[in-house]
Amino acid sequence: GAVVSQHPSRVICKSGTSVKIECRSLDFQATTMFWYRQFPKQSLMLMATSNEGSKATYEQGVEKDKFLINHASLTLSTLTVTSAHPEDSSFYICSADKPGGGEDTQYFGPGTRLTVL
Amino acid sequence: AQKITQTQPGMFVQEKEAVTLDCTYDTSDPSYGLFWYKQPSSGEMIFLIYQGSYDQQNATEGRYSLNFQKARKSANLVISASQLGDSAMYFCAMRANAGGTSYGKLTFGQGTILTVHP
Repeated sequence: GAVVSQHPSRVICKSGTSVKIECRSLDFQATTMFWYRQFPKQSLMLMATSNEGSKATYEQGVEKDKFLINHASLTLSTLTVTSAHPEDSSFYICSADKPGGGEDTQYFGPGTRLTVL
Repeated sequence: AQKITQTQPGMFVQEKEAVTLDCTYDTSDPSYGLFWYKQPSSGEMIFLIYQGSYDQQNATEGRYSLNFQKARKSANLVISASQLGDSAMYFCAMRANAGGTSYGKLTFGQGTILTVHP
């Protein structure tokens, strides 16, 4: 299957700082990437759909000014959590669509665990 | 709008036994795909099996099979011969199809924590 990487895998930061998480498709070009958030023992909640070369589409209730998404190339999307606070501590997972990849075309990254002190 | 419901927060099974994880769904899309993912404690999402809404036969993938009942809008996952390594969180998900290709966002169920006892 295709490979999607995320960096960093784990980050601890102080309240008020900004944190950038990268999502890369390593062996394919992804015009669409997705960002999810997951609290412990809960489901994945879609935050936004990231489209290469255009603005991201945010889900209802997700603050676009707080969670900045940039999809500047066909292999890289970034999520920046601005002015992070303890309530932003969560597991963030990205996924990418591989064009023509078949039914299981959405490939997930390994996730980033964010802890805000 | 799409909705996925997993009504079993937790399930227990004895090693080598079979277990069924329930999933029901609701959608207005005429064509859609149903997925099952496994999420171990490491957090990675592992794709297990896929069922297209127009597929005539139930999907199978090794020890995993999907019991697809379209009229009941259910897509239960059956794991045969459970192994200790099967202990994880399992998610049912769906997305719309067009031209036989899945597209758009995935909608996930609440998840089921499966524990396999030795």
